[in-house]
Amino acid sequence: ILNVEQSPQSLHVQEGDSTNFTCSFPSSNFYALHWYRWETAKSPEALFVMTLNGDEKKKGRISATLNTKEGYSYLYIKGSQPEDSATYLCARLYNQGGKLIFGQGTELSVKP
Amino acid sequence: DGGITQSPKYLFRKEGQNVTLSCEQNLNHDAMYWYRQDPGQGLRLIYYSQIVNDFQKGDIAEGYSVSREKKESFPLTVTSAQKNPTAFYLCASWTSGYNEQFFGPGTRLTVL
Repeated sequence: ILNVEQSPQSLHVQEGDSTNFTCSFPSSNFYALHWYRWETAKSPEALFVMTLNGDEKKKGRISATLNTKEGYSYLYIKGSQPEDSATYLCARLYNQGGKLIFGQGTELSVKP
Repeated sequence: DGGITQSPKYLFRKEGQNVTLSCEQNLNHDAMYWYRQDPGQGLRLIYYSQIVNDFQKGDIAEGYSVSREKKESFPLTVTSAQKNPTAFYLCASWTSGYNEQFFGPGTRLTVL
């Protein structure tokens, strides 16, 4: 198993704060890195799929960067809102057959 | 609407009983996956299938079995050999390339 590590495990912020999480992964044989958002009582939904070193992707107030050489990705949320409260999962694509190795997730709670 | 359905949402089982969790997709995806989630842990892969009538063990396959007789369906059986089956189970599907996986709503299994 190629371990994927996420930090922090949980995060509590106030509305309006900006925040970021880290996903670390083995850099060898890299195919792609996925970020998912998992809200309570819903299914995980994809935020980003990143494949190239130096990739930066943005969706609204959420953005992500990727460094495949050193094996990490950052997820940023600018001006957190209560609706951003969720668990954020990153996953490394293990092979071209779609097998993903997930990190343990970062649980974000945004207080109004 | 295209998507993935899982049933039932909640399932209770007595020790020593086998139980089957349903997963159906109408996305016309070739590959399907079963994950297990425990508190404080990320999603761990149980089994996956890239094509009808073929499937591979994931990282925690012991005590589980699957079948893939139809493209749309990938049921998971939790057998009495699974020592700690109480968990949340997610099913997912995937098309190809660097696309994201799509997830069902999950089944929470409790062994009494």
